[in-house]
Parts: sequence; C-alpha cells; structure tokens
Amino acid sequence: QSALTQPASVSGSPGQSITISCTGSSSDVGGYNSVSWYQQHPGKAPKLMIYDVSNRPSGVSNRFSGSKSGNTASLTISGLQAEDEADYYCSSYTTSSTWVFGGGTKVTVL
Amino acid sequence: EVQMVESGGGLVQPGGSLRLSCAASGFTFSGYSMNWIRQAPGKGLEWVSYISTSGSTTHYTDSVKGRFTISRDNARNFLYLQMNGLRDEDTAMYYCARILSLHHDYWGQGTLATVSS
Repeated sequence: QSALTQPASVSGSPGQSITISCTGSSSDVGGYNSVSWYQQHPGKAPKLMIYDVSNRPSGVSNRFSGSKSGNTASLTISGLQAEDEADYYCSSYTTSSTWVFGGGTKVTVL
Repeated sequence: EVQMVESGGGLVQPGGSLRLSCAASGFTFSGYSMNWIRQAPGKGLEWVSYISTSGSTTHYTDSVKGRFTISRDNARNFLYLQMNGLRDEDTAMYYCARILSLHHDYWGQGTLATVSS
C-alpha cells in the first residue's frame, strides 16, 4: 500500500488561509468517506483534527475544515495562527482493510 | 478521561524481540477496535496492525507479517504488540490508537523501540 501524497511543506502569514492536499486512489481516499487529518507538534502524539472528510471533533477550532473531490482530500486552515505551526498528516481506510497515511506536511507560519 | 499509556520499548539488537503494552483507561476498552501506528525518527506515520473488539480479527502491514503479533486483554484493559525478528527499519515510536468509525480519535504518548547492534 503506497502512502498518500502530500506536499512536504506549506507556509503562510498569520491571518492567511492555507490548503494542504492529500492524493490517493480509488482504493482509499476515493473509495471511502473516511479521510481524517492529524496535527502533530514536535515530540507530541498526533491529534485528530478532521474525521470523515469534513467533520471536526469537539474542541477543534472551526478554522480547520476538510473536503474531498475524487481521489484528493484537502485540509484548509483559515486565519492562520502561530500555534498552527506543526506537521499535518492525512489518513484513509483502504479496500484492503488497512489504513494508509500521507507522508506529512510541515506547516510554517511566517 | 480517555487515557492510553504505552510501555515496553527499549534498545534491542537485530533479530531480537520486544513486547509493547498499551494500558487503556477512561473508556470501555472492550467496545473499541485498536491500532498500532509507528513513526520512524524524522519520518511520517505508518499503520502497523489492527485488532477487533474481541480480538478475533487482526490485520498487519506487509512488512511485519509473520514477525509481529497484536493481541488484547479486555479483562485488564491492555493492548499488546509482540515484535519478533526485529530489524533496523523497525526502529520507531510506537503509538496505540483507539478506532472510532475508521478514524483514530485518541492516541497514546508512544513508546520508542530502537533496533541497533
């Protein structure tokens, strides 16, 4: 199972919006509405930010939103803040009854 | 409060074994399927293994099939990963993660397994 494809890095200024893409195939991203996104700060465990493509868990800022079109999912962070600087990973369930993650995107707040 | 605490990591030589544990609390452990997910130093996340609520169904990523065994003790609220025939490329932080509707809603803090001679 190949990893989902994410850009290695994305940057933006405070207050701006950024979007991270996550491209898979019909066997994962395109085949299920089970895409999730995780935020990971250095030395910390990943934290769920978006599940089932576009749902936010309780306590996650509404500045985070998700969407999907075909085999590509996206995470948008609006009103970028310094605390958003972290690594972000997408994930999807697959037709092989496994999970696959993206390679991760480092978000830098300029 | 949902909590999961991993333990059992350490330094082991290639070919050696480790048994990772994940102690769960704050929720009905037997009601949730669980995953082990690992992260090599400076690298991304990689799904390793899955176990159903009863333990009757398990899945593994191809690179660990035949070497790793996932299990659980619902009476004691523990998840395990027995790792045999360890290789350099198994060096990673290992996280246990609770599965809710095909996503991971809670993660432990991780335990580091280092394979090196």
